[in-house]
Amino acid sequence: QQQVKQSPQSLIVQKGGISIINCAYENTAFDYFPWYQQFPGKGPALLIAIRPDVSEKKEGRFTISFNKSAKQFSLHIMDSQPGDSATYFCAARGHTGTASKLTFGTGTRLQVTL
Amino acid sequence: KAGVTQTPRYLIKTRGQQVTLSCSPISGHRSVSWYQQTPGQGLQFLFEYFSETQRNKGNFPGRFSGRQFSNSRSEMNVSTLELGDSALYLCASSSRLAGTNNEQFFGPGTRLTVL
Repeated sequence: QQQVKQSPQSLIVQKGGISIINCAYENTAFDYFPWYQQFPGKGPALLIAIRPDVSEKKEGRFTISFNKSAKQFSLHIMDSQPGDSATYFCAARGHTGTASKLTFGTGTRLQVTL
Repeated sequence: KAGVTQTPRYLIKTRGQQVTLSCSPISGHRSVSWYQQTPGQGLQFLFEYFSETQRNKGNFPGRFSGRQFSNSRSEMNVSTLELGDSALYLCASSSRLAGTNNEQFFGPGTRLTVL
């Protein structure tokens, strides 16, 4: 069962524009929400992460907005650059007993055009 | 510090065969997680090993198995390959159990094609 729904599947943004990727989750017990960036031929790399007690986190041009009541969180990329062209995955951490794991969204392929 | 390495990078097998993939984590990291990445399903968690013990398992059939050695290197095995097993298999290492706030570092993956 898909527990983290990510949209859109693909996104084209002009250089300098704002890229917005959205994720929604079902499990209210999720307690950590990272975003990963993946370039072709590479593994995903952690970009930025947030905990549910914070509504927003900003690191450079990347911002996570978190809405706990709506069970939604989003990634905003300000002043998007061609080098940001990659696939972005949201994820959420859940727990089963003493074990925990990340559940990923299906990814968003971002293309930033000149 | 060397990153996570995975071998081989590319693999072609036929249905019914079995395959073993290898992952060497970052030096000092004791946790290794495996994921299957496909275009339609994204990243699906397979299992996690910590200190040679499987600590967590995803919803995959028993044909998928793994192990971890005392030097933290890990292998995953897929038996009786099916066409649907074609995917990018990613390994991620962290210094503590994955799922904590401790970052997971991903390798480049092994691209498995089943014909």
